[in-house]
Amino acid sequence: GAVVSQHPSWVICKSGTSVKIECRSLDFQATTMFWYRQFPKQSLMLMATSNEGSKATYEQGVEKDKFLINHASLTLSTLTVTSAHPEDSSFYICSARDVGTVGLFFGSGTQLSVL
Amino acid sequence: EDQVTQSPEALRLQEGESSSLNCSYTVSGLRGLFWYRQDPGKGPEFLFTLYSAGEEKEKERLKATLTKKESFLHITAPKPEDSATYLCAVQAVYNTDKLIFGTGTRLQVFP
Repeated sequence: GAVVSQHPSWVICKSGTSVKIECRSLDFQATTMFWYRQFPKQSLMLMATSNEGSKATYEQGVEKDKFLINHASLTLSTLTVTSAHPEDSSFYICSARDVGTVGLFFGSGTQLSVL
Repeated sequence: EDQVTQSPEALRLQEGESSSLNCSYTVSGLRGLFWYRQDPGKGPEFLFTLYSAGEEKEKERLKATLTKKESFLHITAPKPEDSATYLCAVQAVYNTDKLIFGTGTRLQVFP
């Protein structure tokens, strides 16, 4: 199946700093990528849909100025958590769809801990 | 409102003890229903896609079935390595970009 690489796997940062998470489709081109957030023992919640070459579409309640998404190429999308606070601590997961397929393939996730 | 409910929340099985996980859904036009496996600290791993009632798919000890209201993931003679959280998600016809996930079933298989 298609491979989605996410980096870093975990990151610890101080409150007020910014953190960038990368999501790459390794063996296919992804015009659309998705960013999810997951709290312990909870479901995956879609944060935003990232489209190559255009602005991301954010779900209701997600602050677009805090969670900056850039999808500059067909294989790379980035999520930047700006001015991170402890409440932003969570597991962030990206996913992408290979052209012609219905299902999504997920990255391995990034555990963000804000101190 | 589109919704996915999974049960049980947690399941403990003895190795070899077969069981089923349930995924009940409400969606305005089902495009597809997905099963994923998620290990702790990892992203979901794709297992199956089901499109229409009556459809069944199998992979090793796992078999997924679909009706108009729910899906079952049957685990036959599970092994400890099957321990994981199993997630169900639906995709609506009107919004094929968005997957609506259930909260998952945490499965533990003991030797």
